[in-house]
Amino acid sequence: ETGVTQSPTHLIKTRGQQVTLRCSSQSGHNTVSWYQQALGQGPQFIFQYYREEENGRGNFPPRFSGLQFPNYSSELNVNALELDDSALYLCASERGSNTGELFFGEGSRLTVL
Amino acid sequence: GESVGLHLPTLSVQEGDNSIINCAYSNSASDYFIWYKQESGKGPQFIIDIRSNMDKRQGQRVTVLLNKTVKHLSLQIAATQPGDSAVYFCADKSGNTPLVFGKGTRLSVIA
Repeated sequence: ETGVTQSPTHLIKTRGQQVTLRCSSQSGHNTVSWYQQALGQGPQFIFQYYREEENGRGNFPPRFSGLQFPNYSSELNVNALELDDSALYLCASERGSNTGELFFGEGSRLTVL
Repeated sequence: GESVGLHLPTLSVQEGDNSIINCAYSNSASDYFIWYKQESGKGPQFIIDIRSNMDKRQGQRVTVLLNKTVKHLSLQIAATQPGDSAVYFCADKSGNTPLVFGKGTRLSVIA
């Protein structure tokens, strides 16, 4: 086990709705990255938070936003959901920024109908 | 990463044989490489990493080879077991940038 926990594990939303996904990082890890993994593809980088500040963002629109809290847990928020947002959302923590040594959670599987 | 289709490359091997999974990366500035294993319904799990100043690194039953000249990475699994069945991803990064994941290869072990 990686010590990274995500919730919820599965959820179903409809187009236009908003969703919040949560992640608790491994103890001692101050950096959290979020990835989107569509079916049959590799994870795609959404953004990273380091010490509560956004520290890099991939090619995702502004309706994807996030937060990191003082205890280093994190949230991913997606507004105005679209069908193509259906995917597995993965949270990964690491000690330090962009070390590459990511520890992934099991993911939150989002289905948008 | 590059855009990919829905069908993952697949490798089928007999239990006990060696497996070789290949990966091409595009960024010549990449200096750190990782192989991840992802089982069904789970998040990616770290297997082994290698830095650009090395061309080979060995772990328990696994070996990673790096050829920077042709931007190619491979993962060798010795004596493949049913528990090795999963999707394997290579990932690379350059300096202080996030990890970029490759397409993935599905390894199926035939008992």
